[in-house]
Amino acid sequence: DTEVTQTPKHLVMGMTNKKSLKCEQHMGHRAMYWYKQKAKKPPELMFVYSYEKLSINESVPSRFSPECPNSSLLNLHLHALQPEDSALYLCASSQDFGTGYGYTFGSGTRLTVV
Amino acid sequence: GENVEQHPSTLSVQEGDSAVIKCTYSDSASNYFPWYKQELGKRPQLIIDIRSNVGEKKDQRIAVTLNKTAKHFSLHITETQPEDSAVYFCAASVAGNQFYFGTGTSLTVIP
Repeated sequence: DTEVTQTPKHLVMGMTNKKSLKCEQHMGHRAMYWYKQKAKKPPELMFVYSYEKLSINESVPSRFSPECPNSSLLNLHLHALQPEDSALYLCASSQDFGTGYGYTFGSGTRLTVV
Repeated sequence: GENVEQHPSTLSVQEGDSAVIKCTYSDSASNYFPWYKQELGKRPQLIIDIRSNVGEKKDQRIAVTLNKTAKHFSLHITETQPEDSAVYFCAASVAGNQFYFGTGTSLTVIP
């Protein structure tokens, strides 16, 4: 298995909703990442987990809450989002945080906040 | 932090011609430079990468060159085909850590 799987593929949520995005990989990668990508813009790093510990938080608002339950799973919990948070949310993984080997993106979750 | 600039932002070429996209970076410690292709509505996919101990790397119709002194690297696509049409992102990182992406180049190959 050489893929990063993200669910759901599409999500529409209201500003008062609570939802979660899920990311899973079975490549034995020890680093996992969340990115946000607006249309026609490059991906922006949000969070990095290395060996299941949060290594980098790029000053992301607290309405985004990451969680790494185990080495294969990465969640992004969403609460009280704003319409400007609508974007493609990409998960990625790599062998470890330090080599870039095997850096792989998931297909993304397209989030719309209404 | 690292700052990556990418040019041009849009590029149109005739099928069969070559396309060149250039990126510059600011942090001399950056030593890993991947290139990603992103088709509309799809994930970024790694097409080629280069590390700072190498000056050039080729993979069929795609090549990347790196000039560490000038802090720039370029993507070269030869014999372009319509399926090469996509947005291309360069990136720079130190040892494969946090990626700093360029702003993207929208390539259109005209049949």
